[in-house]
Amino acid sequence: GAVVSQHPSWVICKSGTSVKIECRSLDFQATTMFWYRQFPKQSLMLMATSNEGSKATYEQGVEKDKFLINHASLTLSTLTVTSAHPEDSSFYICSGGWLEQYFGPGTRLTVT
Amino acid sequence: RKEVEQDPGPFNVPEGATVAFNCTYSNSASQSFFWYRQDCRKEPKLLMSVYSSGNEDGRFTAQLNRASQYISLLIRDSKLSDSATYLCVVNTYGGSQGNLIFGKGTKLSVKP
Repeated sequence: GAVVSQHPSWVICKSGTSVKIECRSLDFQATTMFWYRQFPKQSLMLMATSNEGSKATYEQGVEKDKFLINHASLTLSTLTVTSAHPEDSSFYICSGGWLEQYFGPGTRLTVT
Repeated sequence: RKEVEQDPGPFNVPEGATVAFNCTYSNSASQSFFWYRQDCRKEPKLLMSVYSSGNEDGRFTAQLNRASQYISLLIRDSKLSDSATYLCVVNTYGGSQGNLIFGKGTKLSVKP
């Protein structure tokens, strides 16, 4: 299967700061990548669709000004959590692919 | 009705047992279906796609019933390493990249 990497794998930050998460497709080009969030014991929930060279599409209830997405190249999408709060603490996962999606290893964010 | 519903877990089975997971989906326009496996605090990994004709991969058999909007996964001769959460996943944009709708997952625990 295709390989997707994420960085960092975990991060702890203080409330009010911003955190950037990178998602890279290592062996394929991705015009579209997806960002998910998973709270403990919950299912993955799609946050947004990242489109190379254009604006991201956000799911209902996800604040686009808080979760900034940039997809500047065919192999890199970034998610920036701005002014993070403790309730943003979660497991953030990106995916890419075509019909079958391949997931990055995820980033565990803890906001103190 | 939830978009993708799965058997409530957890399933606790002995090694060597056969176990079946069921899943129903609400959107009759859904086109693509998958089973993913997610280990604790890890990203989902694709286990197998599910085709209308049914498909088998070693000890794993997946079936799709479009009329009943029902998907199943059968695991034969369970191994300790099969312990994980199994996610039923549906893609409503068949034939192209689209967002995946995840079930909440069914936890499987295989005991010696």
